[in-house]
Amino acid sequence: AQTVTQSQPEMSVQEAETVTLSCTYDTSESDYYLFWYKQPPSRQMILVIRQEAYKQQNATENRFSVNFQKAAKSFSLKISDSQLGDAAMYFCAYSGRSGGGADGLTFGKGTHLIIQP
Amino acid sequence: GAVVSQHPSRVICKSGTSVKIECRSLDFQATTMFWYRQFPKKSLMLMATSNEGSKATYEQGVEKDKFLINHASLTLSTLTVTSAHPEDSSFYICSARDVQGAGDQPQHFGDGTRLSIL
Repeated sequence: AQTVTQSQPEMSVQEAETVTLSCTYDTSESDYYLFWYKQPPSRQMILVIRQEAYKQQNATENRFSVNFQKAAKSFSLKISDSQLGDAAMYFCAYSGRSGGGADGLTFGKGTHLIIQP
Repeated sequence: GAVVSQHPSRVICKSGTSVKIECRSLDFQATTMFWYRQFPKKSLMLMATSNEGSKATYEQGVEKDKFLINHASLTLSTLTVTSAHPEDSSFYICSARDVQGAGDQPQHFGDGTRLSIL
């Protein structure tokens, strides 16, 4: 079974600074997807960024980028120029591809990100 | 963009009541939908995979007789919590994948249902 570990229950960063959220995972599969989701107090799940394991290039979405280290099974999220609206719970998630993309997501326990004005 | 509508958003009912939660994909078709459960300040746990026209696949430890799933069409999946008890109180979230396009389409989440059993 796959597992996702987020070792930082809470992180705090000053507005406009950069913060990195850590995530490690364990799997025996060679092809899979990794995701970062944001969950604000409204509890809506918002996809931040997605990485396909067979792609070596790290995914980026505006101020959000990942550092994907496949051999180390590490998938960290970097948020640049942090904004007050970035404050939320951030979940790292894993999905296999064995089911033709029909695999559910395995989530980490989440990191509560606080933005200090 | 792909929209998933989940209804109701909040339910409060007495112990022993059965509660139905609907998950609809509004602008795309979904052969597969997923149901998750989230306890307060905890992560999301996959409960089951809902497959259109066939039986749902439940994760280990999830009672299939307690949590009935029906996926009768390509746009609708329902989760029925039967004879609900206070320990069933939780936040339930569904997600769906677009059947069109590449097989690596991301899941789109509904806004969730907060279930409170008195």
